[in-house]
Amino acid sequence: AQSVTQLGSHVSVSEGALVLLRCNYSSSVPPYLFWYVQYPNQGLQLLLKYTTGATLVKGINGFEAEFKKSETSFHLTKPSAHMSDAAEYFCAKSGGATNKLIFGTGTLLAVQP
Amino acid sequence: SAVISQKPSRDICQRGTSLTIQCQVDSQVTMMFWYRQQPGQSLTLIATANQGSEATYESGFVIDKFPISRPNLTFSTLTVSNMSPEDSSIYLCSVESDSYNEQFFGPGTRLTVL
Repeated sequence: AQSVTQLGSHVSVSEGALVLLRCNYSSSVPPYLFWYVQYPNQGLQLLLKYTTGATLVKGINGFEAEFKKSETSFHLTKPSAHMSDAAEYFCAKSGGATNKLIFGTGTLLAVQP
Repeated sequence: SAVISQKPSRDICQRGTSLTIQCQVDSQVTMMFWYRQQPGQSLTLIATANQGSEATYESGFVIDKFPISRPNLTFSTLTVSNMSPEDSSIYLCSVESDSYNEQFFGPGTRLTVL
């Protein structure tokens, strides 16, 4: 089955440290890939997306992600964590015969002072 | 991007009752989606709603439990019928943008069933 896997349901980093949230996908066709963020008691906000072209994608709030076809990965990074980055992050994919989004299980990011 | 609002933002309901959630978009869109997010879990698609046709439900979700209306291109409702505590979740609507299956989400409706 086509799926999205997020390694690590909880990630904790110190303020100013590198953020790395992992996402792997399975797909029989080139996927469209997304990262969404959900702040407490809010809906989902799109951070960034990969569709075609450049494999390094820059998003809002200093986040970026790199599409690596050989590794079927789309990991999310940010060089320096800020307290305001504490939230839940969802990786998602679509593409192929369906326009539906398939979500990973989410990673809750905590940022320690 | 689309601006999406949902009503109510939260509610506490008694088991056996029904709740209708409204989703309003500030522009005309073809496809709207309804998701459920159970506590501590990811999003699960309930159904896809296109204007002028019956909603398409995902496996495990049925129309009798989650009837959906889509009367025009900017509005949809989801009803959670005959509620039980297991229906306690966040319910989100989303719309598809013009490109690459990207979706914009509403703020969600937080439902607690006692």
